[in-house]
Amino acid sequence: DAKTTQPNSMESNEEEPVHLPCNHSTISGTDYIHWYRQLPSQGPEYVIHGLTSNVNNRMASLAIAEDRKSSTLILHRATLRDAAVYYCTGGFNAGGTSYGKLTFGQGTILTVHP
Amino acid sequence: GAGVSQSPRYKVAKRGQDVALRCDPISGHVSLFWYQQALGQGPEFLTYFQNEAQLDKSGLPSDRFFAERPEGSVSTLKIQRTQQEDSAVYLCASSLKRLDRVSYNEQFFGPGTRLTVL
Repeated sequence: DAKTTQPNSMESNEEEPVHLPCNHSTISGTDYIHWYRQLPSQGPEYVIHGLTSNVNNRMASLAIAEDRKSSTLILHRATLRDAAVYYCTGGFNAGGTSYGKLTFGQGTILTVHP
Repeated sequence: GAGVSQSPRYKVAKRGQDVALRCDPISGHVSLFWYQQALGQGPEFLTYFQNEAQLDKSGLPSDRFFAERPEGSVSTLKIQRTQQEDSAVYLCASSLKRLDRVSYNEQFFGPGTRLTVL
């Protein structure tokens, strides 16, 4: 399983962009990179995923390094509702018979200041 | 629409008691996962079902943990003879399809059941 490393915490001001880094140096060539976030007292919520190319959706952007050993989740304009624990996870082997077991690290606690 | 629901939301058990935690996945979802989340930690995989088949139970910490999904919808995680180290939030997630080589399957998580063993 891919192991991930993230900073324990980050802070941002509302309306400013936030860049959340993740190192996943042991990721295999066919593992997707997923980001989930967890608000207090809730289950994790899917944010975005990618394999090799940068990805955009309505919630965020995902920038993947060329060697795939790191990625960055980008929230373009942080809001108070974005305050959560953000998990970078690995584990869906697109080329094999793996079934999507997600391997979570400790995540990054994002604090957004008004 | 209805998401993944779990019950009870909170459970307090005395050490040695058996507990059963229920998960109602999104209707029609083929894949179902259980995760355990200790305080301050990320979720850890316990087991996976594809319909009624338990394809992987490698994350279950001991033989006191048992999961089932007999009709391919509702799932129950049972913990026998609970111990203090079982105290955690137990999360259930479901996804629409069985996993295959081509398409990605987003996992939808329930709110979890917080188990406290005294």
